Amino acid sequence: GAGVSQTPSNKVTEKGKYVELRCDPISGHTALYWYRQSLGQGPEFLIYFQGTGAADDSGLPNDRFFAVRPEGSVSTLKIQRTERGDSAVYLCASSFLAGQETQYFGPGTRLLVL
Amino acid sequence: AQSVTQLDSQVPVFEEAPVELRCNYSSSVSVYLFWYVQYPNQGLQLLLKYLSGSTLVKGINGFEAEFNKSQTSFHLRKPSVHISDTAEYFCAVISQGGSEKLVFGKGTKLTVNP
Repeated sequence: GAGVSQTPSNKVTEKGKYVELRCDPISGHTALYWYRQSLGQGPEFLIYFQGTGAADDSGLPNDRFFAVRPEGSVSTLKIQRTERGDSAVYLCASSFLAGQETQYFGPGTRLLVL
Repeated sequence: AQSVTQLDSQVPVFEEAPVELRCNYSSSVSVYLFWYVQYPNQGLQLLLKYLSGSTLVKGINGFEAEFNKSQTSFHLRKPSVHISDTAEYFCAVISQGGSEKLVFGKGTKLTVNP
């Protein structure tokens, strides 16, 4: 079946602009995660949804970052007033349940802030 | 809080040689352990995971890992590597019964040379 998809695959924006990154999880997966991977680093957790609600948003770096999952499926990560330091690959993952369940990752969105 | 240390950032080996990628973790609670692989321009893919039971875990593509609780390690091994194993490998943990987020190491770049 289809895996996790993310759009766009690449996004170039200017400092100060607003961006939205979309994640389409595997059908039927209730848990959805966002991670950020900077160059030379492992992925770092941003936020986790169980259904429609954000169960853990402790990884969001500041209030410029926000994510939603209004119908419990597709999720959008929103970044306001982008800064050059936001440049990274943003990864989305989903799992059938949470905890020990395998998280299946999408290919990521590469964000470059000029 | 958990942390993961991957002791080698780069590991070059020749084709058909054995390889071991080292991973140590730190946690005040019990954890589940994972190894993910990231091929160039692709998303993270699960290689194997340890949840409970036998400490020797076998995964895809001939990889295996051994959980050592006393040494808090989860090293990944393959007896004979192929050119196609060239990729970045990430060790990760999730706390049992706590946060659902994966905590990743910084990754080990495995390069298999002919």
